[in-house]
Amino acid sequence: SQELEQSPQSLIVQEGKNLTINCTSSKTLYGLYWYKQKYGEGLIFLMMLQKGGEEKSHEKITAKLDEKKQQSSLHITASQPSHAGIYLCGADESAGGTSYGKLTFGQGTILTVHP
Amino acid sequence: DTGVSQNPRHKITKRGQNVTFRCDPISEHNRLYWYRQTLGQGPEFLTYFQNEAQLEKSRLLSDRFSAERPKGSFSTLEIQRTEQGDSAMYLCASSLGHNSNQPQHFGDGTRLSIL
Repeated sequence: SQELEQSPQSLIVQEGKNLTINCTSSKTLYGLYWYKQKYGEGLIFLMMLQKGGEEKSHEKITAKLDEKKQQSSLHITASQPSHAGIYLCGADESAGGTSYGKLTFGQGTILTVHP
Repeated sequence: DTGVSQNPRHKITKRGQNVTFRCDPISEHNRLYWYRQTLGQGPEFLTYFQNEAQLEKSRLLSDRFSAERPKGSFSTLEIQRTEQGDSAMYLCASSLGHNSNQPQHFGDGTRLSIL
C-alpha cells in the first residue's frame, strides 16, 4: 500500500514568515489532496493535484506536485495566526486512472504561528 | 449545503459496551467513507460505500465493527464489545462520484473514549 511521509513533523514560525511543508510518496501519486485540521475537528479540504508539474493557489497557500508525481509541497506566504493547525496530505489509491476513492494520509505537520 | 454531519461529537463509554455513531453526508453525495484517527496520526481508512453498497473494508475493521448505509443516505458505524484500543476520533467523509476529481469532504468526527 502507499505510504506518505510529511516533513517537518512540526513547525513554529513568526507571523509574516513564509513556510513550506513537504509530502513524499513511496509510489506514484495519482491524486494528491491537502487538508487542514484544527485540533479536535474534522478536515477542511484545501487543494487537489493530479497532474505532474501541477500548481494551484488559493489566497496565500500554494500547492505543487512534482513532475514525477512522487512529491508535493505546500507553501504558505506571509503566514498568519489563522494558518495555524495540522496540515495533512492524502493520496488517492488509484491505478490506471481509476480511483479507488479511499485516501492514505501522511502523519500530519503541526503548524504554530506566533503573532 | 450543510456539510457532513456526525453524531454524537463525543462518546464516553465503559469497556465492553456497544456504541453506534451516525454520519449524514452532503446530500447527493453517493460515496461515504469512514476513517479512524488517533492522536498524532493521519486518518486511517476503515470502509466506504457507494450508495448503499459497502465496497471495501480495511483489515483494521475487526469483526466487532460493522457499518451500514441502508438507504444510501446516512450511515452508521457500530462497535461491539469496545476495547481500550478503540479510543480514537472516528471521521466520516462523503464525495460526489467515484473518480479522483471529486474531493472528500469531512465531518467534525466523533471522539470515542473508552474507560
